[in-house]
Amino acid sequence: EAGVAQSPRYKIIEKRQSVAFWCNPISGHATLYWYQQILGQGPKLLIQFQNNGVVDDSQLPKDRFSAERLKGVDSTLKIQPAKLEDSAVYLCASSFGAQETQYFGPGTRLLVL
Amino acid sequence: RKEVEQDPGPFNVPEGATVAFNCTYSNSASQSFFWYRQDCRKEPKLLMSVYSSGNEDGRFTAQLNRASQYISLLIRDSKLSDSATYLCVVRGAGGSQGNLIFGKGTKLSVKP
Repeated sequence: EAGVAQSPRYKIIEKRQSVAFWCNPISGHATLYWYQQILGQGPKLLIQFQNNGVVDDSQLPKDRFSAERLKGVDSTLKIQPAKLEDSAVYLCASSFGAQETQYFGPGTRLLVL
Repeated sequence: RKEVEQDPGPFNVPEGATVAFNCTYSNSASQSFFWYRQDCRKEPKLLMSVYSSGNEDGRFTAQLNRASQYISLLIRDSKLSDSATYLCVVRGAGGSQGNLIFGKGTKLSVKP
């Protein structure tokens, strides 16, 4: 069974630029999550989708971050404009349901200069 | 107080050693508890769930003490391949459906 796919794997941008990340969850998984993992920290949830609806985006910095999952399958996370402190690994995870085991993708490593 | 706190580490142990990781959580209403493993520059992967009665999976034993809001992971007979960061994870309670709250992780290095 294919795992969670993410792209790109690495991205380097300058501050104030925009960037977008893509995630394709495991087939059949209704719940999709985006996490931010800063070096030396555990992953922190940014947003949770159930199908194409947002369940929790309380920790998403909405002035610069946005995410969508329009057809309830793949998802994009955008940062506009990026700040230095956005340098992190952005992990996408999916699960069959909200209370089920979450499976993580390989992440996108973002460096903001 | 942080929601999930772990030993800062790192733990450097010889092969064959027994090592224990501790974790405390702040929300007494939390219902589900896990240990995840994260290899260097890789994604986190579920190592094991933690049940109230304690549970064992081979060389790994997890314990939960709800009264003290304390979780532990014991690794016996450490292998070189156990070298990784171990993340204590608590599932959010209340309105945060399915949300996982991660500790900072404890790095383990097993040496020959």
